[in-house]
Amino acid sequence: SQTIHQWPATLVQPVGSPLSLECTVEGTSNPNLYWYRQAAGRGLQLLFYSVGIGQISSEVPQNLSASRPQDRQFILSSKKLLLSDSGFYLCAWSVLRPDPSSGNTIYFGEGSWLTVV
Amino acid sequence: EDKVVQSPLSLVVHEGDTVTLNCSYEVTNFRSLLWYKQEKKAPTFLFMLTSSGIEKKSGRLSSILDKKELFSILNITATQTGDSAIYLCAAAETGGYQKVTFGTGTKLQVIP
Repeated sequence: SQTIHQWPATLVQPVGSPLSLECTVEGTSNPNLYWYRQAAGRGLQLLFYSVGIGQISSEVPQNLSASRPQDRQFILSSKKLLLSDSGFYLCAWSVLRPDPSSGNTIYFGEGSWLTVV
Repeated sequence: EDKVVQSPLSLVVHEGDTVTLNCSYEVTNFRSLLWYKQEKKAPTFLFMLTSSGIEKKSGRLSSILDKKELFSILNITATQTGDSAIYLCAAAETGGYQKVTFGTGTKLQVIP
């Protein structure tokens, strides 16, 4: 079965410090990978998605970046954190099914709570 | 712009009550409607709906999709305190990267 792991679970970082969140998926090949952010009391905002190694697309401009060095590894980074980067970050995966009637579901990692102080 | 709107934003019910959560969507290339339950951590998957009028059921939870009206509901019968959570609705699209647009969620609180 497929599993997704994300770490660290929580971190407190000062403004201007770097960030690295990591996510790995097991039990599947060539997944689509996503980074979402959930600010307090708000919905899930898609930050980045990747359909393959080295292929990253950004949904919103920001001071964050993402990388996919291996098929099942997705990394979210920042060189200098801002206060507004605080939130709950979620990595997720899905697999494209060719039959449209089969639908598609995304599954989430455990999440990372980031507090920028 | 793709959007998913959920209502109500929050509600408080007593144990044993039945609740209906609403979700409307407008997305470009709709493929499936997803429901998730989020307690204190990551969302957990509940249902995926692709066809109109076919109810999906899991215990006391059920959901149905209306693709003509672009609408879905999630029903919870005989609510329990363990049902307290944020319920997220999302619309997934066709295409290579399977864009998924989430609503802001409905916060359900079940009191004894």
